[in-house]
Amino acid sequence: NAGVTQTPKFQVLKTGQSMTLQCAQDMNHEYMSWYRQDPGMGLRLIHYSVGAGITDQGEVPNGYNVSRSTTEDFPLRLLSAAPSQTSVYFCASSKRAGGRPEQYFGPGTRLTVT
Amino acid sequence: KNEVEQSPQNLTAQEGEFITINCSYSVGISALHWLQQHPGGGIVSLFMLSSGKKKHGRLIATINIQEKHSSLHITASHPRDSAVYICAVQRGADGLTFGKGTHLIIQP
Repeated sequence: NAGVTQTPKFQVLKTGQSMTLQCAQDMNHEYMSWYRQDPGMGLRLIHYSVGAGITDQGEVPNGYNVSRSTTEDFPLRLLSAAPSQTSVYFCASSKRAGGRPEQYFGPGTRLTVT
Repeated sequence: KNEVEQSPQNLTAQEGEFITINCSYSVGISALHWLQQHPGGGIVSLFMLSSGKKKHGRLIATINIQEKHSSLHITASHPRDSAVYICAVQRGADGLTFGKGTHLIIQP
């Protein structure tokens, strides 16, 4: 299994540009989530999904959209990038019931908005 | 006040010492996670607890649900244990709420 994969690993955007951070998992996990990590703030939840077709907002959802059309993929869209969105973004997945309930994290995407 | 508080924020110890990192939380939870983040940035799940105690190698995690407190212990610490250790709580089907992490440095 590849686990949780994220692309790209690094990205530089100009203010106002849009882009999509990709996240995929091959473990048939129901739960998927996006977090951002900022110095001194710890990790914060942006959006999460409990299954295909179901998404919900986390602590810091403004400026981001998500969709979950398949179990495997959970892309995060930045609609109009702002310097405040400069951060490291992590995608994570886990089983809903049965199996190992631990969270599996992707390697992260380091985003800089200038 | 943060829902998840960790202490200490920074810890430097000598190789071989017994390490304790504490986590307190203020909300009802379904589970508590301990995570490790190395300088390269990757995050690895160490434990998921809903009660009692778990042990994996030199790592031990405990949780007291009534006191809303968990501890992560490292026995016979080694420089390769140097990392950021993060406590996170889970409430039902929601995503995780994280502490700010404990920066651990083990000196040879």
